[in-house]
Amino acid sequence: NAGVTQTPKFQVLKTGQSMTLQCAQDMNHNSMYWYRQDPGMGLRLIYYSASEGTTDKGEVPNGYNVSRLNKREFSLRLESAAPSQTSVYFCASSEVLGLATYNEQFFGPGTRLTVL
Amino acid sequence: GENVEQHPSTLSVQEGDSAVIKCTYSDSASNYFPWYKQELGKRPQLIIDIRSNVGEKKDQRIAVTLNKTAKHFSLHITETQPEDSAVYFCAAKRRGSQGNLIFGKGTKLSVKP
Repeated sequence: NAGVTQTPKFQVLKTGQSMTLQCAQDMNHNSMYWYRQDPGMGLRLIYYSASEGTTDKGEVPNGYNVSRLNKREFSLRLESAAPSQTSVYFCASSEVLGLATYNEQFFGPGTRLTVL
Repeated sequence: GENVEQHPSTLSVQEGDSAVIKCTYSDSASNYFPWYKQELGKRPQLIIDIRSNVGEKKDQRIAVTLNKTAKHFSLHITETQPEDSAVYFCAAKRRGSQGNLIFGKGTKLSVKP
């Protein structure tokens, strides 16, 4: 099992360019998440998908869109990149069967994005 | 919404000493508190977690304690080793929040040989 995979690993964009970060998991998890990690700020939730076909905003959704393509794949899109979006982006997945479950989130290797 | 404060932001100990990292949370409805370890350039990985109906949990050299009344929880690492050097994140999940975690800002632990 590959677990959670992300592409690309590194990306440099110019202000205003768009791009999509890809994430896939092979653990048959129903919930998937996108986080950004900035120095001294911890991990902040951008968007999440509790199950296939649903997506919801997290703490810092502005400037991003997401698509839950199927149960395996969850993509994050930057429509018009800004320098403030320079960050490391992590995708994660977990098996959440209901509101009372407490399951580990498995993280991907991350995408390091620089916006000039 | 939930807010998680983590202290200290950096911690340096000698090999063999103990290390303690503390977190406080604001939402009394939070019911799940995991700890993640992130080595330099790597992804975060779960090392231990605790649910709100438990006061303490131990796994070899690491332990977590939870005080629901005070709304704080702590990570304890005993007999630290150089490979324990990493950034540690605490997190909290609010009851009914679909698994969403609110993370603390992290503690960089350095274990000196």
